[in-house]
Amino acid sequence: KNQVEQSPQSLIILEGKNCTLQCNYTVSPFSNLRWYKQDTGRGPVSLTIMTFSENTKSNGRYTATLDADTKQSSLHITASQLSDSASYICVVSDGYNKLIFGAGTRLAVHP
Amino acid sequence: EAQVTQNPRYLITVTGKKLTVTCSQNMNHEYMSWYRQDPGLGLRQIYYSMNVEVTDKGDVPEGYKVSRKEKRNFPLILESPSPNQTSLYFCASSRGGSSYNEQFFGPGTRLTVL
Repeated sequence: KNQVEQSPQSLIILEGKNCTLQCNYTVSPFSNLRWYKQDTGRGPVSLTIMTFSENTKSNGRYTATLDADTKQSSLHITASQLSDSASYICVVSDGYNKLIFGAGTRLAVHP
Repeated sequence: EAQVTQNPRYLITVTGKKLTVTCSQNMNHEYMSWYRQDPGLGLRQIYYSMNVEVTDKGDVPEGYKVSRKEKRNFPLILESPSPNQTSLYFCASSRGGSSYNEQFFGPGTRLTVL
């Protein structure tokens, strides 16, 4: 069964610190993996998309990695800001354009 | 401003009372979709539309209807809402149905069915 699991479920860090969110998937065949940021009360917004051949992709202070062999991805946030407080959702697409959503990691950045 | 709008944003209703949640996009996107988001679960697709007059079931279509008479609008209809349809609903649109196309989400509609 195609699944996407994210860890941790929730995370609290201090402003200025770094953090890493994890995404493990069992989707086959694999097409691409996308990270979304969802602010409270808002819809998800895409941060980055990665294909099979990409290992790392950055978007400002956000850096996503992909290991297609182990079927793992991570989202690293550098020098966190209060505005990074949000849920981060990992979404994996199979070869048939179907999207499988993870449940998300809820990040709280405290001053 | 390019956006997806949903109305209403919040709705409390009673079991069995028909309701419609509207969704509109101004980006001339061909693909539109409805999702529901429940605590501890990932977004689940209800229905999607590849283009005008073309709709198809997602993973959890039971109890919902949709229509796509115009490119910009994709309303979600609950003919006889039940408490298990209490959820946060998102409409999304993209240029096409390929997963490489970024989906743009609306702000969400929080529905409570008593």
